[in-house]
Amino acid sequence: DAKTTQPPSMDCAEGRAANLPCNHSTISGNEYVYWYRQIHSQGPQYIIHGLKNNETNEMASLIITEDRKSSTLILPHATLRDTAVYYCIVLGSNTGKLIFGQGTTLQVKP
Amino acid sequence: GAGVSQTPSNKVTEKGKYVELRCDPISGHTALYWYRQSLGQGPEFLIYFQGTGAADDSGLPNDRFFAVRPEGSVSTLKIQRTERGDSAVYLCASSLTGGQKAFFGQGTRLTVV
Repeated sequence: DAKTTQPPSMDCAEGRAANLPCNHSTISGNEYVYWYRQIHSQGPQYIIHGLKNNETNEMASLIITEDRKSSTLILPHATLRDTAVYYCIVLGSNTGKLIFGQGTTLQVKP
Repeated sequence: GAGVSQTPSNKVTEKGKYVELRCDPISGHTALYWYRQSLGQGPEFLIYFQGTGAADDSGLPNDRFFAVRPEGSVSTLKIQRTERGDSAVYLCASSLTGGQKAFFGQGTRLTVV
């Protein structure tokens, strides 16, 4: 079973920041938070991951709360091409398999 | 190629037939994963290889499903006596080692008629 809880859907205006929340209250100390997204008819795409510090890359920022029980993925300037299903996944460092939940369907609107 | 390659992209087969789906991972990636995705659902884990061996096959639904990776690179997912319920997109992914970010292929859409 997925260890994360995400809202099923969200809307965002083009050019605005998209903030996607994720709850992972049972996360263990050695487990990372990973984010993937899946654009229609494509395979999932890695976005970002983190352990306890906030992370930023060219695609997004990841904010993890101090107690690590929740996180937020931030797309700073959403475009129409960011419309996708976003998956938040908890992954142990000694295990390979990603367990996908239902994710959040983000609809970016003009 | 630079990414994970899956062939064929589409496969239509008759109920009861045998099918093989192929995955070419990124060169040098030791970990390889198979997933199955039904319409409107997230990908469902099937099996994970570390090198040539299956490190975790707990997601294979029954003994009609089998996967191999004999030389630690290309992998084949084999489905015997296909059923209409096997219709789905089968996704393959690879990563440098287990527990690191994974790169997915475009998937094989299997339709059992």
